[in-house]
Amino acid sequence: GENVEQHPSTLSVQEGDSAVIKCTYSDSASNYFPWYKQELGKRPQLIIDIRSNVGEKKDQRIAVTLNKTAKHFSLHITETQPEDSAVYFCAARLSGSARQLTFGSGTQLTVLP
Amino acid sequence: DGGITQSPKYLFRKEGQNVTLSCEQNLNHDAMYWYRQDPGQGLRLIYYSQIVNDFQKGDIAEGYSVSREKKESFPLTVTSAQKNPTAFYLCASSIPTGTNEKLFFGSGTQLSVL
Repeated sequence: GENVEQHPSTLSVQEGDSAVIKCTYSDSASNYFPWYKQELGKRPQLIIDIRSNVGEKKDQRIAVTLNKTAKHFSLHITETQPEDSAVYFCAARLSGSARQLTFGSGTQLTVLP
Repeated sequence: DGGITQSPKYLFRKEGQNVTLSCEQNLNHDAMYWYRQDPGQGLRLIYYSQIVNDFQKGDIAEGYSVSREKKESFPLTVTSAQKNPTAFYLCASSIPTGTNEKLFFGSGTQLSVL
């Protein structure tokens, strides 16, 4: 099955700086890579996703990049704000796996004012 | 207001007891999932169902059981065979076809052992 590793487990940045979270996956047949954000005490919510036929995707201050050769993908948050503080989970889905996502272990991002 | 509802928010289990976590959705989604969340371990899939009256084991199904008698409901039973049940349990649903692959999560149930 798929295995997803996520680093770092905790990340602190100053407000206005950029944050980068990296994930690697094991199965080259994976074709869908979403990122979920979970604020304290709340449910996870999808913030951005990317498919294997695309190398980069942006949505305002958030971007995701995918390197299929190296089997890793990254979340980039620019101009961080206190409301970006949350746990971020990456995930990967094997092609044809009936929508089963394998999640990374999560990154606790803290944006310091 | 459309969404996915989990109950109860907190649940306590005695030794040897089975407990059932409720998950209801009114999003008309065919697929539903149960995840277990432990600190530092991300979300691990327990069971999933793509259609009524059908469900499949996920990565950590031992000690758990589910049913899917209605499209809207996907209850999870934590049996006495699950020796370490203390965790945060999240239910989710999605549309299993087309390009919309977004998971909609419930607000979770925190299960603790007395």
